[in-house]
Amino acid sequence: GNSVTQMEGPVTLSEEAFLTINCTYTATGYPSLFWYVQYPGEGLQLLLKATKADDKGSNKGFEATYRKETTSFHLEKGSVQVSDSAVYFCALSDSEGAQKLVFGQGTRLTINP
Amino acid sequence: GAGVSQTPSNKVTEKGKYVELRCDPISGHTALYWYRQSLGQGPEFLIYFQGTGAADDSGLPNDRFFAVRPEGSVSTLKIQRTERGDSAVYLCASSLILLGSTGELFFGEGSRLTVL
Repeated sequence: GNSVTQMEGPVTLSEEAFLTINCTYTATGYPSLFWYVQYPGEGLQLLLKATKADDKGSNKGFEATYRKETTSFHLEKGSVQVSDSAVYFCALSDSEGAQKLVFGQGTRLTINP
Repeated sequence: GAGVSQTPSNKVTEKGKYVELRCDPISGHTALYWYRQSLGQGPEFLIYFQGTGAADDSGLPNDRFFAVRPEGSVSTLKIQRTERGDSAVYLCASSLILLGSTGELFFGEGSRLTVL
């Protein structure tokens, strides 16, 4: 079945550091790929998405490119802020139209001032 | 309210008891989803509703779990004869249109269930 694997956390960085959170997936067909974020005390919210190969999703300074050849969707940000501290989840949606998301296990990110 | 509301936020119960968890989706959202998140894991799909009907319940782990959405708005997840392994955060999400179109689900903060 479809699955998502994320780099294990927790990840701790200093403010203004470069961030990469790795995500790889296994899926049949052509899934859509997502990054969701959960800030402390809040529900998960969509951060960015890409629906086909080579698409780049971006939001709030974060970017991720859908790489079909490496089945990856790594999350990057050039200069992180304390407010980026959260748990980040990579996810995919079934290309066969099933109305469900398959999530990775999440990566906790802490940014120190 | 403006977002997805879930109650209770925390529920502690004893093994073998019956539990109900409630979800109030964003007004006008026709699709409603339940996920379960165990400690250190990502959310796992349980069931989703399109309107009043359960369109896909393939994620429900066994027949102790049941969910309803009788009027196409509020949903209740029901767990019978709870077991310690049911302890998790139960997440509800809603969307205006089906997931496949946008990928955006709006999640509540979850109901944390602890079975002693």
